[in-house]
Amino acid sequence: GAGVSQSPRYKVAKRGQDVALRCDPISGHVSLFWYQQALGQGPEFLTYFQNEAQLDKSGLPSDRFFAERPEGSVSTLKIQRTQQEDSAVYLCASSGVIGTPNEKLFFGSGTQLSVL
Amino acid sequence: AQKVTQAQTEISVVEKEDVTLDCVYETRDTTYYLFWYKQPPSGELVFLIRRNSFDEQNEISGRYSWNFQKSTSSFNFTITASQVVDSAVYFCALSERGRPLVFGKGTRLSVIA
Repeated sequence: GAGVSQSPRYKVAKRGQDVALRCDPISGHVSLFWYQQALGQGPEFLTYFQNEAQLDKSGLPSDRFFAERPEGSVSTLKIQRTQQEDSAVYLCASSGVIGTPNEKLFFGSGTQLSVL
Repeated sequence: AQKVTQAQTEISVVEKEDVTLDCVYETRDTTYYLFWYKQPPSGELVFLIRRNSFDEQNEISGRYSWNFQKSTSSFNFTITASQVVDSAVYFCALSERGRPLVFGKGTRLSVIA
Protein backbone atom coordinates (compact mmCIF):
# COMPACT_ATOMS: atom_id res chain seq x y z
CA GLY A 1 0.00 0.00 0.00
CA ALA A 2 0.92 3.63 -0.17
CA GLY A 3 1.49 4.01 3.56
CA VAL A 4 1.31 2.23 6.88
CA SER A 5 -2.26 1.24 7.62
CA GLN A 6 -3.61 0.57 11.09
CA SER A 7 -6.99 -0.76 12.14
CA PRO A 8 -9.23 -0.10 13.86
CA ARG A 9 -8.76 3.66 14.05
CA TYR A 10 -10.62 3.72 17.38
CA LYS A 11 -11.27 0.95 19.87
CA VAL A 12 -13.30 1.11 23.05
CA ALA A 13 -12.91 -1.82 25.41
CA LYS A 14 -14.33 -2.67 28.79
CA ARG A 15 -11.77 -3.33 31.46
CA GLY A 16 -10.76 -6.97 31.35
CA GLN A 17 -11.47 -7.46 27.63
CA ASP A 18 -8.85 -8.63 25.18
CA VAL A 19 -8.08 -6.45 22.15
CA ALA A 20 -6.16 -6.96 18.91
CA LEU A 21 -4.68 -4.09 16.93
CA ARG A 22 -3.56 -4.59 13.35
CA CYS A 23 -0.77 -3.01 11.36
CA ASP A 24 -0.18 -3.27 7.61
CA PRO A 25 3.29 -1.89 6.89
CA ILE A 26 4.45 -0.46 3.60
CA SER A 27 4.85 -3.31 1.13
CA GLY A 28 8.38 -4.71 1.23
CA HIS A 29 9.37 -3.04 4.48
CA VAL A 30 11.26 -5.55 6.59
CA SER A 31 11.37 -3.65 9.86
CA LEU A 32 8.25 -3.00 11.92
CA PHE A 33 7.88 -1.15 15.20
CA TRP A 34 5.12 -0.65 17.74
CA TYR A 35 4.99 2.47 19.92
CA GLN A 36 2.58 3.54 22.64
CA GLN A 37 1.68 7.23 22.94
CA ALA A 38 -0.13 8.41 26.04
CA LEU A 39 -2.05 11.68 25.90
CA GLY A 40 0.31 14.65 25.79
CA GLN A 41 3.41 12.46 25.70
CA GLY A 42 5.89 11.31 23.12
CA PRO A 43 5.72 7.81 21.64
CA GLU A 44 7.34 5.10 23.73
CA PHE A 45 8.89 2.02 22.17
CA LEU A 46 7.15 -1.30 22.69
CA THR A 47 8.65 -3.85 20.30
CA TYR A 48 10.53 -4.31 17.02
CA PHE A 49 10.41 -6.96 14.28
CA GLN A 50 12.73 -7.69 11.44
CA ASN A 51 10.69 -9.78 9.03
CA GLU A 52 8.98 -12.34 11.28
CA ALA A 53 11.62 -12.26 14.02
CA GLN A 54 10.86 -10.22 17.11
CA LEU A 55 14.28 -8.73 17.84
CA ASP A 56 13.40 -6.50 20.76
CA LYS A 57 10.39 -6.62 23.07
CA SER A 58 11.96 -4.77 25.95
CA GLY A 59 9.34 -2.03 25.88
CA LEU A 60 6.29 -4.22 26.40
CA PRO A 61 4.94 -3.05 29.77
CA SER A 62 3.65 -6.40 31.00
CA ASP A 63 3.03 -9.99 29.99
CA ARG A 64 -0.48 -8.93 29.01
CA PHE A 65 1.03 -7.38 25.87
CA PHE A 66 1.94 -9.66 22.99
CA ALA A 67 2.93 -8.91 19.41
CA GLU A 68 3.36 -11.13 16.39
CA ARG A 69 4.25 -10.91 12.72
CA PRO A 70 4.01 -14.51 11.54
CA GLU A 71 4.62 -14.02 7.83
CA GLY A 72 6.87 -10.99 8.02
CA SER A 73 4.28 -8.51 6.79
CA VAL A 74 1.10 -7.77 8.79
CA SER A 75 1.57 -7.45 12.55
CA THR A 76 -0.89 -7.73 15.41
CA LEU A 77 -0.50 -6.24 18.86
CA LYS A 78 -2.65 -8.04 21.39
CA ILE A 79 -3.48 -6.79 24.85
CA GLN A 80 -5.08 -9.23 27.23
CA ARG A 81 -7.27 -8.28 30.19
CA THR A 82 -7.09 -4.58 29.35
CA GLN A 83 -6.67 -2.06 32.16
CA GLN A 84 -7.45 1.64 32.21
CA GLU A 85 -3.76 2.49 32.12
CA ASP A 86 -3.58 0.79 28.71
CA SER A 87 -5.60 3.68 27.23
CA ALA A 88 -3.34 5.33 24.66
CA VAL A 89 -2.68 5.65 20.95
CA TYR A 90 -0.79 2.67 19.57
CA LEU A 91 1.41 3.61 16.65
CA CYS A 92 2.92 1.26 14.13
CA ALA A 93 5.91 2.20 11.98
CA SER A 94 7.89 0.47 9.28
CA SER A 95 11.24 0.88 7.60
CA GLY A 96 12.69 -0.54 4.43
CA VAL A 97 16.16 -0.79 5.88
CA ILE A 98 17.35 -4.06 7.33
CA GLY A 99 19.80 -4.52 10.14
CA THR A 100 19.32 -1.42 12.23
CA PRO A 101 16.48 0.33 14.03
CA ASN A 102 18.09 3.73 13.51
CA GLU A 103 16.58 4.51 10.16
CA LYS A 104 13.79 6.80 9.00
CA LEU A 105 10.44 5.40 10.05
CA PHE A 106 7.10 5.65 8.30
CA PHE A 107 4.25 5.82 10.79
CA GLY A 108 0.60 4.91 10.58
CA SER A 109 -2.15 7.12 12.03
CA GLY A 110 -2.45 4.88 15.06
CA THR A 111 -5.21 3.09 16.94
CA GLN A 112 -6.70 5.06 19.80
CA LEU A 113 -7.59 2.61 22.56
CA SER A 114 -9.92 3.67 25.34
CA VAL A 115 -10.44 1.27 28.22
CA LEU A 116 -13.52 2.00 30.31
CA ALA B 1 20.77 5.72 28.95
CA GLN B 2 19.35 7.86 26.21
CA LYS B 3 17.09 10.80 26.97
CA VAL B 4 15.54 13.67 25.03
CA THR B 5 14.26 16.87 26.60
CA GLN B 6 11.98 19.31 24.85
CA ALA B 7 11.50 22.01 27.44
CA GLN B 8 8.90 23.98 25.47
CA THR B 9 5.52 22.33 25.91
CA GLU B 10 3.57 24.79 23.79
CA ILE B 11 4.52 27.71 21.57
CA SER B 12 2.18 30.13 19.88
CA VAL B 13 3.32 32.49 17.11
CA VAL B 14 1.72 34.77 14.58
CA GLU B 15 2.00 33.76 10.95
CA LYS B 16 5.25 34.83 9.26
CA GLU B 17 7.17 34.90 12.51
CA ASP B 18 10.25 32.72 12.90
CA VAL B 19 10.17 30.10 15.65
CA THR B 20 12.80 27.81 17.15
CA LEU B 21 12.00 24.52 18.85
CA ASP B 22 14.61 23.38 21.34
CA CYS B 23 15.90 19.84 21.82
CA VAL B 24 18.52 18.69 24.30
CA TYR B 25 19.66 15.09 24.41
CA GLU B 26 21.68 12.80 26.65
CA THR B 27 23.67 9.79 25.55
CA ARG B 28 26.85 7.99 26.50
CA ASP B 29 27.33 6.56 23.05
CA THR B 30 29.63 8.21 20.54
CA THR B 31 27.55 6.96 17.62
CA TYR B 32 23.95 8.06 17.65
CA TYR B 33 21.25 9.51 15.45
CA LEU B 34 18.97 12.48 15.95
CA PHE B 35 15.58 12.96 14.36
CA TRP B 36 12.73 15.43 14.12
CA TYR B 37 9.17 14.29 13.40
CA LYS B 38 6.00 16.31 12.88
CA GLN B 39 2.64 15.05 14.17
CA PRO B 40 -0.31 16.88 12.59
CA PRO B 41 -3.84 16.46 13.98
CA SER B 42 -4.36 13.39 11.80
CA GLY B 43 -1.99 11.52 14.12
CA GLU B 44 0.69 9.99 11.95
CA LEU B 45 4.25 11.10 12.60
CA VAL B 46 5.96 12.55 9.56
CA PHE B 47 9.73 12.30 9.24
CA LEU B 48 11.56 15.62 8.83
CA ILE B 49 15.27 14.92 9.30
CA ARG B 50 17.84 12.36 10.47
CA ARG B 51 21.34 13.33 11.56
CA ASN B 52 24.21 11.13 12.68
CA SER B 53 26.55 12.14 15.48
CA PHE B 54 29.52 12.63 13.17
CA ASP B 55 27.84 15.21 11.00
CA GLU B 56 27.50 18.57 12.72
CA GLN B 57 26.78 20.51 9.59
CA ASN B 58 23.66 22.58 9.86
CA GLU B 59 20.96 21.79 7.35
CA ILE B 60 18.39 23.90 5.58
CA SER B 61 15.37 22.60 3.72
CA GLY B 62 13.12 25.35 2.45
CA ARG B 63 11.74 27.20 5.48
CA TYR B 64 13.14 24.57 7.86
CA SER B 65 16.62 24.57 9.34
CA TRP B 66 18.37 22.53 11.99
CA ASN B 67 21.27 23.47 14.25
CA PHE B 68 23.22 20.53 15.69
CA GLN B 69 25.74 21.36 18.41
CA LYS B 70 27.49 18.46 20.13
CA SER B 71 29.14 20.83 22.61
CA THR B 72 25.76 21.64 24.13
CA SER B 73 24.03 18.34 23.19
CA SER B 74 21.39 20.24 21.31
CA PHE B 75 19.60 19.75 18.02
CA ASN B 76 17.32 22.75 17.55
CA PHE B 77 14.77 23.21 14.78
CA THR B 78 13.85 26.60 13.29
CA ILE B 79 10.90 27.37 11.06
CA THR B 80 11.29 30.61 9.15
CA ALA B 81 8.24 32.64 8.13
CA SER B 82 5.85 30.25 9.85
CA GLN B 83 2.54 29.32 8.24
CA VAL B 84 -0.74 28.03 9.65
CA VAL B 85 0.01 24.62 8.08
CA ASP B 86 3.03 24.34 10.35
CA SER B 87 0.71 23.96 13.35
CA ALA B 88 1.41 20.51 14.81
CA VAL B 89 3.25 18.72 17.58
CA TYR B 90 6.95 18.36 16.85
CA PHE B 91 9.03 15.58 18.34
CA CYS B 92 12.76 15.33 18.67
CA ALA B 93 14.12 11.77 18.95
CA LEU B 94 17.41 10.05 19.66
CA SER B 95 18.62 6.60 18.68
CA GLU B 96 21.82 5.08 19.99
CA ARG B 97 23.55 2.56 17.75
CA GLY B 98 21.40 -0.54 17.44
CA ARG B 99 18.65 0.79 19.65
CA PRO B 100 15.16 2.05 18.78
CA LEU B 101 14.16 5.68 18.82
CA VAL B 102 13.52 7.47 22.10
CA PHE B 103 11.25 10.48 21.72
CA GLY B 104 10.95 13.69 23.67
CA LYS B 105 7.56 14.79 25.00
CA GLY B 106 7.00 17.08 22.05
CA THR B 107 6.35 20.76 21.50
CA ARG B 108 2.91 21.86 20.34
CA LEU B 109 3.25 24.70 17.86
CA SER B 110 0.27 26.88 17.05
CA VAL B 111 0.61 29.35 14.21
CA ILE B 112 -2.11 31.97 14.24
CA ALA B 113 -3.23 33.71 11.07
